[in-house]
Amino acid sequence: RKEVEQDPGPFNVPEGATVAFNCTYSNSASQSFFWYRQDCRKEPKLLMSVYSSGNEDGRFTAQLNRASQYISLLIRDSKLSDSATYLCVVNLGGGYNKLIFGAGTRLAVHP
Amino acid sequence: NAGVTQTPKFRILKIGQSMTLQCAQDMNHNYMYWYRQDPGMGLKLIYYSVGAGITDKGEVPNGYNVSRSTTEYFPLRLELAAPSQTSVYFCASSRDIRGFGYTFGSGTRLTVV
Repeated sequence: RKEVEQDPGPFNVPEGATVAFNCTYSNSASQSFFWYRQDCRKEPKLLMSVYSSGNEDGRFTAQLNRASQYISLLIRDSKLSDSATYLCVVNLGGGYNKLIFGAGTRLAVHP
Repeated sequence: NAGVTQTPKFRILKIGQSMTLQCAQDMNHNYMYWYRQDPGMGLKLIYYSVGAGITDKGEVPNGYNVSRSTTEYFPLRLELAAPSQTSVYFCASSRDIRGFGYTFGSGTRLTVV
């Protein structure tokens, strides 16, 4: 079983749609969680951290369910510029700041 | 503030050649990492370093070597390049605090022919 699993997509949605990405992780000792965004042929960039209480940044909402080992990202009112691959990322803790990256979910927003 | 700088951006190597991928950061981060990303795949950790003079293997270290003589630089050496090493290589750094996000360089796109 992969440590971080995501639906690879692609998710093809029209502008203005709401889209949700899900992610599961296997290690219950995981300590911190992130969503990264990666544009085609570019480096990953931190989108937001994820907390059990949920957190929101504009049109983006992230949620963590530790009991189910499940992370979600909701994007409201999708824009063309949201087209990218979204990486679910988990920190296992331990001796160094080790992040485990999911393979990513590709989003394509069309007019 | 440049962040993480990688050079070169692109390189074509012939089988059996060697090269060094350069990585520099100006944020005084102790932790640095090298990842490779194959098409349609996630990032795989090659090597990491928790400070100058300290390096350790990640999940795919074979065929690579690293050194960390200063906080700023973390070069990745490919010896005897093979087609399986065709990939995009990302260097990243982070503060030495668990749970802190990484800052990535813009990547080196390597093709071995």
